[in-house]
Amino acid sequence: ETGVTQTPRHLVMGMTNKKSLKCEQHLGHNAMYWYKQSAKKPLELMFVYSLEERVENNSVPSRFSPECPNSSHLFLHLHTLQPEDSALYLCASSQDVRNEQFFGPGTRLTVL
Amino acid sequence: AQSVTQPDIHITVSEGASLELRCNYSYGATPYLFWYVQSPGQGLQLLLKYFSGDTLVQGIKGFEAEFKRSQSSFNLRKPSVHWSDAAEYFCAVGGSYIPTFGRGTSLIVHP
Repeated sequence: ETGVTQTPRHLVMGMTNKKSLKCEQHLGHNAMYWYKQSAKKPLELMFVYSLEERVENNSVPSRFSPECPNSSHLFLHLHTLQPEDSALYLCASSQDVRNEQFFGPGTRLTVL
Repeated sequence: AQSVTQPDIHITVSEGASLELRCNYSYGATPYLFWYVQSPGQGLQLLLKYFSGDTLVQGIKGFEAEFKRSQSSFNLRKPSVHWSDAAEYFCAVGGSYIPTFGRGTSLIVHP
């Protein structure tokens, strides 16, 4: 039990669809993260929220839109995605941005 | 700027053999160091971490790692590998801000 849950676990969407990924942490942490993991590529940090404020946005295309309504929930809103956006999207949380991260199981996204 | 290098993309070992996965880092002060494991289709799980103190760190699943400041290394070791250890292993370095992850080393275990 990692304490970080992600839904859905799998998602198939067309390029014109709008969908959202959800992440919830039950650990009382103050920081939350979105990562993209593609085959044969390093783990890519997308967004970081600390105390519900976005503190990092690593040149992510605007078709990805994060939302952090409170310290326990993190969303990634997706619209007009491209096939190259197909990947495993991982959510993580930590006590603060320096400490070890706890990861969810990921959402496997396929864009057709 | 902090960075981490995992020189080996793949490592193949026989079940029961010892294992060492290499991790080299670049950081200006005493780093925070982490090792994570990822099974296929899953998220990353923390194996162990080093913040300060004893440079030999014990983790879960029988893993250990040693911080060597002079070599800027934090290598992961296990004395006897089990088939269930086959996975992707990530080293990460941090300290003052968000940790940076290495590219990962894929461990293949032969029976």
